[in-house]
Amino acid sequence: QLQLQESGPGLVKPSETLSLTCTVSGGSISSSSYYWGWIRQPPGKGLEWIGSIYYSGSTYYNPSLKSRVTISVDTSKNQFSLKLSSVTAADTAVYYCARHERAGGAFDIWGQGTMVTVSS
Amino acid sequence: DIQMTQSPSSLSASVGDRVTITCQASQDISNYLNWYQQKPGKAPKLLIYDASNLETGVPSRFSGSGSGTDFTFTISSLQPEDIATYYCQQYDNLYTFGQGTKLEIK
Repeated sequence: QLQLQESGPGLVKPSETLSLTCTVSGGSISSSSYYWGWIRQPPGKGLEWIGSIYYSGSTYYNPSLKSRVTISVDTSKNQFSLKLSSVTAADTAVYYCARHERAGGAFDIWGQGTMVTVSS
Repeated sequence: DIQMTQSPSSLSASVGDRVTITCQASQDISNYLNWYQQKPGKAPKLLIYDASNLETGVPSRFSGSGSGTDFTFTISSLQPEDIATYYCQQYDNLYTFGQGTKLEIK
């Protein structure tokens, strides 16, 4: 079955860029039916959608993060990636990648999540 | 942007109890509302989509209802494995989650 797996550094210095990759296995990222998204969760807090991408490269972002976020896709590797620039301690969180339907808004398959700490 | 307000923020109930969580949207979102369960250290799991549709494989004791601005999530008979935090999420305009409801066993 379809699985998603996040990867990337667990520690990032303040003012630097956080970079994560989500690898999709058991299915194609090029499906016309789905978008691929990033969601984060600070320790002990709730969920925040960061942004989503279609296999064609079309993206949309949370307005509160838009100026610092770039999401890209590599269909040849069945991966999509997140870059978050100028990070601060407030960006410390578990970062999840997830799939959602193009025609709907339910995040139906999630990665296990990866903890990223912003600290010098 | 659309704000989602869940209540209560925490809830203690006994095994077998009927449990209800509410979610209110700051504007009309039709039925564009989903519910998730998150257990400690785990990713959220989709339970209910489009306000009232049960995701495949989810036990029938879970249900959802509502439209417009007011929504309800119900567990008809609480089981020990239902201990988790529950989130609502709207997708009428981008994606926003409620702040969560932490469910504990009494």
